[in-house]
Amino acid sequence: DSGVTQTPKHLITATGQRVTLRCSPRSGDLSVYWYQQSLDQGLQFLIQYYNGEERAKGNILERFSAQQFPDLHSELNLSSLELGDSALYFCASSVVGGGDTQYFGPGTRLTVL
Amino acid sequence: AQSVTQPDIHITVSEGASLELRCNYSYGATPYLFWYVQSPGQGLQLLLKYFSGDTLVQGIKGFEAEFKRSQSSFNLRKPSVHWSDAAEYFCAVGAPGDFGNEKLTFGTGTRLTIIP
Repeated sequence: DSGVTQTPKHLITATGQRVTLRCSPRSGDLSVYWYQQSLDQGLQFLIQYYNGEERAKGNILERFSAQQFPDLHSELNLSSLELGDSALYFCASSVVGGGDTQYFGPGTRLTVL
Repeated sequence: AQSVTQPDIHITVSEGASLELRCNYSYGATPYLFWYVQSPGQGLQLLLKYFSGDTLVQGIKGFEAEFKRSQSSFNLRKPSVHWSDAAEYFCAVGAPGDFGNEKLTFGTGTRLTIIP
């Protein structure tokens, strides 16, 4: 158990819908990262938050957004969902950043029908 | 920008045999290097990491990896594999102290199959 929790574990929805994925980092970790794992793209970095502020952006679609709240949990919002958004979404956390070890949650498997 | 290559998509090893999974990275300075393991339907578990110092690092479950700067490699090894080692293995590179570039860049993974 990494100490990072993600809910829900599975999510099935339809095209065009909007969903919210939630992540709680390890106690004391200030940085939260979101990654997407799909068969065709592999593991790709989406976005990083540090202590409530956006720190870095990767290959994140404009239909996707995220935020980190004062209690440091984070949410990833996916809207206007397409079939191709079906993937495993991981959250990771680290103490600060700068190459600190990132600990991964169990992931949320999103299926868009 | 950093990148990682895992040249072997799938490796099959007999139980009890030795294992070496290859990883090559590209980064302008000394990177942080990681190996993660993902069992089917599971998240990513950290096996070991290299930040600096001794180039041979020990990890959990009897794994070790060696950082070779001259070859830009960070290969993962285990002297004797167990059936429970069957999983997908990911090598990743991080950029130390590079504000705004703190993501991990992953290789495409190597799937390990263990045969009796």
